[in-house]
Amino acid sequence: DAGVIQSPRHEVTEMGQEVTLRCKPISGHNSLFWYRQTMMRGLELLIYFNNNVPIDDSGMPEDRFSAKMPNASFSTLKIQPSEPRDSAVYFCASRGTGLNTEAFFGQGTRLTVV
Amino acid sequence: SQKIEQNSEALNIQEGKTATLTCNYTNYSPAYLQWYRQDPGRGPVFLLLIRENEKEKRKERLKVTFDTTLKQSLFHITASQPADSATYLCALADATGGFKTIFGAGTRLFVKA
Repeated sequence: DAGVIQSPRHEVTEMGQEVTLRCKPISGHNSLFWYRQTMMRGLELLIYFNNNVPIDDSGMPEDRFSAKMPNASFSTLKIQPSEPRDSAVYFCASRGTGLNTEAFFGQGTRLTVV
Repeated sequence: SQKIEQNSEALNIQEGKTATLTCNYTNYSPAYLQWYRQDPGRGPVFLLLIRENEKEKRKERLKVTFDTTLKQSLFHITASQPADSATYLCALADATGGFKTIFGAGTRLFVKA
């Protein structure tokens, strides 16, 4: 397996534009997490899904952020409209079930909003 | 509110010494605790997991302790090497929250040759 795949790796956009980040989890994993990492706030959990269902979205900062998981192999995180303070590295992670409860992270998407 | 605290100051040690990193948490009843390593420009990578009913776990040069009374975990790297230089993140998973995983901010470790 190629691991968790995120795209794009880098995104530069202007304030007010819509941004969509994509994630393909590891096949067979049933949990998916979206995190945001900044120097000031560290690694923050935004939302996580179990079996494609959003379980906890309390970390989503504002209504401008939305996430979907239409099937077990794909998830998106959308920001609209984007603002400069959204600039960060966004990570997607997936996790299997049972005793193997480690999370596997993608390479991240570095978002810059100018 | 739930909080995970790791020493925000970087830890500088000499090669061959033991590095000890601390993770404290409040208002949390974790089912298990994990330690991850993160290198610049990369996503975190899992190192060790310790469950609430375990006191200590070892893997090669790594050792983790877990004290649920003190609400603290210690992460040790023995015989440290320059290649161990990275940021180390503590993460907690709460059974009542469906095992959602929350991370501390991490501690940067520098091992000098």
